[in-house]
Amino acid sequence: SQTIHQWPATLVQPVGSPLSLECTVEGTSNPNLYWYRQAAGRGLQLLFYSVGIGQISSEVPQNLSASRPQDRQFILSSKKLLLSDSGFYLCASTQGQSGETQYFGPGTRLLVL
Amino acid sequence: SQQGEEDPQALSIQEGENATMNCSYKTSINNLQWYRQNSGRGLVHLILIRSNEREKHSGRLRVTLDTSKKSSSLLITASRAADTASYFCAPDGGATNKLIFGTGTLLAVQP
Repeated sequence: SQTIHQWPATLVQPVGSPLSLECTVEGTSNPNLYWYRQAAGRGLQLLFYSVGIGQISSEVPQNLSASRPQDRQFILSSKKLLLSDSGFYLCASTQGQSGETQYFGPGTRLLVL
Repeated sequence: SQQGEEDPQALSIQEGENATMNCSYKTSINNLQWYRQNSGRGLVHLILIRSNEREKHSGRLRVTLDTSKKSSSLLITASRAADTASYFCAPDGGATNKLIFGTGTLLAVQP
């Protein structure tokens, strides 16, 4: 099975500051990678997904961007954080075929003040 | 891809009782997956049921699928306090590589 690493676990950032969250995957190659955001007590919102290096699909217009510089590395970024960017960010990985299990990382809790 | 809708939004039961959660979806699927999320953690895959299956078991979990009604249910038997978590369904139409999750059912099992 796959192991997803995310860091940092918790982050407190001022409004207007930049952001970089990193996700790395072990135990597989050429995975599909996903970034989700979860507001407190809510469901998961799919932000970005990637089927390969340099290939990013954005699901919703927002203040964030994603990059995939290596096969098993997925980065979520922002140039200037907004208060509304606060939330719990989850990275997930799958082999991409229908019916494949999604493996999730432990998440990063971001608080923008 | 499509989003599943879980019902109820919240469920509180006593330890030892059974818990049933439902999921509805709108279009045809290849399979449907159920996930669990403990508070402040990532999601963990529980079980997958394919469109040609009607029922599937895994330990204390029982999942049913009714494609004519576009619905699925997750039954947890003999619940334990450790089952306290949010449960999400994810219908997979197979056309894309994406799973869309709903808002989940928050299950609280009282000891």
